[in-house]
Amino acid sequence: DTAVSQTPKYLVTQMGNDKSIKCEQNLGHDTMYWYKQDSKKFLKIMFSYNNKELIINETVPNRFSPKSPDKAHLNLHINSLELGDSAVYFCASSQGQNEKLFFGSGTQLSVL
Amino acid sequence: AQSVTQLDSHVSVSEGTPVLLRCNYSSSYSPSLFWYVQHPNKGLQLLLKYTSAATLVKGINGFEAEFKKSETSFHLTKPSAHMSDAAEYFCALSWSNTGKLIFGQGTTLQVKP
Repeated sequence: DTAVSQTPKYLVTQMGNDKSIKCEQNLGHDTMYWYKQDSKKFLKIMFSYNNKELIINETVPNRFSPKSPDKAHLNLHINSLELGDSAVYFCASSQGQNEKLFFGSGTQLSVL
Repeated sequence: AQSVTQLDSHVSVSEGTPVLLRCNYSSSYSPSLFWYVQHPNKGLQLLLKYTSAATLVKGINGFEAEFKKSETSFHLTKPSAHMSDAAEYFCALSWSNTGKLIFGQGTTLQVKP
């Protein structure tokens, strides 16, 4: 069973479109995250939620809106996609903050 | 400010020889330090974690890392490389229960037969 699963794995879309990436964890963790990995493989945190409450919002444009319907899910909606949004987006979860993160396998977003 | 610097972007070793991946950090707090591995088209997997207990930390797959406060380093080592170790390795730091993980730039490990 996949611990942290995110869909879709690949997402190709045009500039200006709106898209969503879904993430689910079955580990019973209370904290979930979104990370962005750019073309140089640099990883940076975007958001974290603890028990559905936003904890970290790392100066991400407000075109990005995370939504956590329950503590097992953290979805990422992106409005008005731009070329610079092309990256691999990773969802992760942990039990408590500062603890070991479990990562999903990533969503490769390509904006044309 | 908190930061992580991985000193080598690319390391190449022969199978069966030792591996050394270097990581230096800067932190105003007592940090927790991590090494993660990323195989192609996969998510990151934790290799090991340091949290102010023993300075020599043993991880999975034969990897270990030593925390040296005086040198602000947390280098990753393995006595004998396997072909399956070829991957991208990330050193990371967190602090004060912020839940925020700061990653280094990554080191690509190539293992030659």
